Amino acid sequence: AQTVTQSQPEMSVQEAETVTLSCTYDTSENNYYLFWYKQPPSRQMILVIRQEAYKQQNATENRFSVNFQKAAKSFSLKISDSQLGDTAMYFCAFIRGGGADGLTFGKGTHLIIQP
Amino acid sequence: DVKVTQSSRYLVKRTGEKVFLECVQDMDHENMFWYRQDPGLGLRLIYFSYDVKMKEKGDIPEGYSVSREKKERFSLILESASTNQTSMYLCASSSGQGWEQYFGPGTRLTVT
Repeated sequence: AQTVTQSQPEMSVQEAETVTLSCTYDTSENNYYLFWYKQPPSRQMILVIRQEAYKQQNATENRFSVNFQKAAKSFSLKISDSQLGDTAMYFCAFIRGGGADGLTFGKGTHLIIQP
Repeated sequence: DVKVTQSSRYLVKRTGEKVFLECVQDMDHENMFWYRQDPGLGLRLIYFSYDVKMKEKGDIPEGYSVSREKKERFSLILESASTNQTSMYLCASSSGQGWEQYFGPGTRLTVT
């Protein structure tokens, strides 16, 4: 079984700052995918970014980027030029490749962007 | 865009009632999932289905069952609702490639 750990229950930064959310995971799988999901107050889960374990290059989506360290089993999310609309719960999630399993989620980090 | 819809946004039921939560996706996805979300516990997988009439237990299936008679629809059934099933329920779907899951808006169920 795999586990996903987010060690920061809550973070608060000023608008326009850069913030990094931490995530570590534990698995014996070699083929897997990692995700960051955002859940704003509306409760709609939104995919932020996706990383394939076999890819060395870190994924980037506009202001969002990841630092994927496979050997360390670390998958942090960096948000640049943070905006008020980034205020949300952020969940790190894992799924093994090759099967139709469900996602394994961390417990989330509540990110607050202050004006 | 993928659209996943859930039958109710808010639902209040009494203990012992049979409860049906419906989920429909419009992207012809093979895989569908039910999660529950509780404060401090994150999201936990209840059941999932990788094909019509197929179902697999997730991490917390006790007290729940599911039905998938058509590819686009996945129902979660609480046979006899209990207060400890008060929670936010999220449905999701995914295709066979890429593995990212697309979520519905959630149903907040309160059992009194």
